[in-house]
Amino acid sequence: NAGVTQTPKFQVLKTGQSMTLQCAQDMNHEYMSWYRQDPGMGLRLIHYSVGAGITDQGEVPNGYNVSRSTTEDFPLRLLSAAPSQTSVYFCASSWGGPGNSPLHFGNGTRLTVT
Amino acid sequence: EDQVTQSPEALRLQEGESSSLNCSYTVSGLRGLFWYRQDPGKGPEFLFTLYSAGEEKEKERLKATLTKKESFLHITAPKPEDSATYLCAVQAWNQFYFGTGTSLTVIP
Repeated sequence: NAGVTQTPKFQVLKTGQSMTLQCAQDMNHEYMSWYRQDPGMGLRLIHYSVGAGITDQGEVPNGYNVSRSTTEDFPLRLLSAAPSQTSVYFCASSWGGPGNSPLHFGNGTRLTVT
Repeated sequence: EDQVTQSPEALRLQEGESSSLNCSYTVSGLRGLFWYRQDPGKGPEFLFTLYSAGEEKEKERLKATLTKKESFLHITAPKPEDSATYLCAVQAWNQFYFGTGTSLTVIP
């Protein structure tokens, strides 16, 4: 019963490098989302998807891209990493979207940009 | 502006000492209020959903209540394993808005 799986767990990037954070869920959830968690800021929504082929921006989308080609996967791409993107990133999914069912979170990716 | 505020930021309790955590919110179009528990190095784990004022939910030593402007998470006779950060989130339209959490430490 894997739930939401995020890889890698830790990553260090240099400024300007690009990378993809992976997220996969095995619960057949339509809704998937990416959050970043920073001290004193709470969880902030980056991008979300209500189904395969459909994505939308959240509160802090700049510098990040997403795509949703399958129900199971929702990767987050950092195009050109900046120190301000140092954070812990969480992927979350739910069955029917916010309000219909709670979010299920992965265990996060801790990203450091130097 | 939609906002979720949790208090206190940190709370230290002796084992068995009951207390409450507060979550106040100003959100348009509230569709639900959620409580999560987060352990260090882990993702948030769902505890409760509350949809309407007056609603209450219980799970072991935890009880969540909801009014029109705030929610309380009551912890009765806590144990050291209840130590964690407790997050509150409100759902409005298509997004969740999270508070910054209360870090709870229960001392044996």
